[in-house]
Amino acid sequence: DQQVKQNSPSLSVQEGRISILNCDYTNSMFDYFLWYKKYPAEGPTFLISISSIKDKNEDGRFTVFLNKSAKHLSLHIVPSQPGDSAVYFCAASADSTGTYKYIFGTGTRLKVLA
Amino acid sequence: KAGVTQTPRYLIKTRGQQVTLSCSPISGHRSVSWYQQTPGQGLQFLFEYFSETQRNKGNFPGRFSGRQFSNSRSEMNVSTLELGDSALYLCASSLGGTDAYEQYFGPGTRLTVT
Repeated sequence: DQQVKQNSPSLSVQEGRISILNCDYTNSMFDYFLWYKKYPAEGPTFLISISSIKDKNEDGRFTVFLNKSAKHLSLHIVPSQPGDSAVYFCAASADSTGTYKYIFGTGTRLKVLA
Repeated sequence: KAGVTQTPRYLIKTRGQQVTLSCSPISGHRSVSWYQQTPGQGLQFLFEYFSETQRNKGNFPGRFSGRQFSNSRSEMNVSTLELGDSALYLCASSLGGTDAYEQYFGPGTRLTVT
């Protein structure tokens, strides 16, 4: 049972436009969410996070939105740049026990076209 | 500050053999988590260690085991290898406290089982 779903395996966007990557989850106990970017032959790189007490977190060109009622989060990249081309993973954690069991989605491959 | 390092980077083993992978976390990080990444499955959580103790475990068979040493370095062992164990194995380190959620990943070990 996939508790964290990224239903779009791939996404292509023109340089300078907005990229929107989506993530859905099923477990209402999840209270912390992260986005990672992964280039080939490298480990994932942490991008941005959001806790369930917020509905938005912004860091430069990256903004994450959380809709708890819909169990949905999205990552917005504005403006998109060719260097943003990578696989993006969302991850969720129910950190009530103070541990770090993260559940990852299957990833969305973003291609930013120059 | 040096990042998370994993050795070896690539490994080819035969079915039935066992393998040990190593992970050195970022200096000062006490939590180490292990993930398996396969195409179509995303990153799947194996286990997390904190101060030499396993704090959490994913849904993998007992053939997958790990340990953590007093210097926070961690090893993962897979016994009786199966073809389906071919994957990228990633480790991630974090401070481990309840207010330090970000995990930093190593480049991974690519295991091929023939």
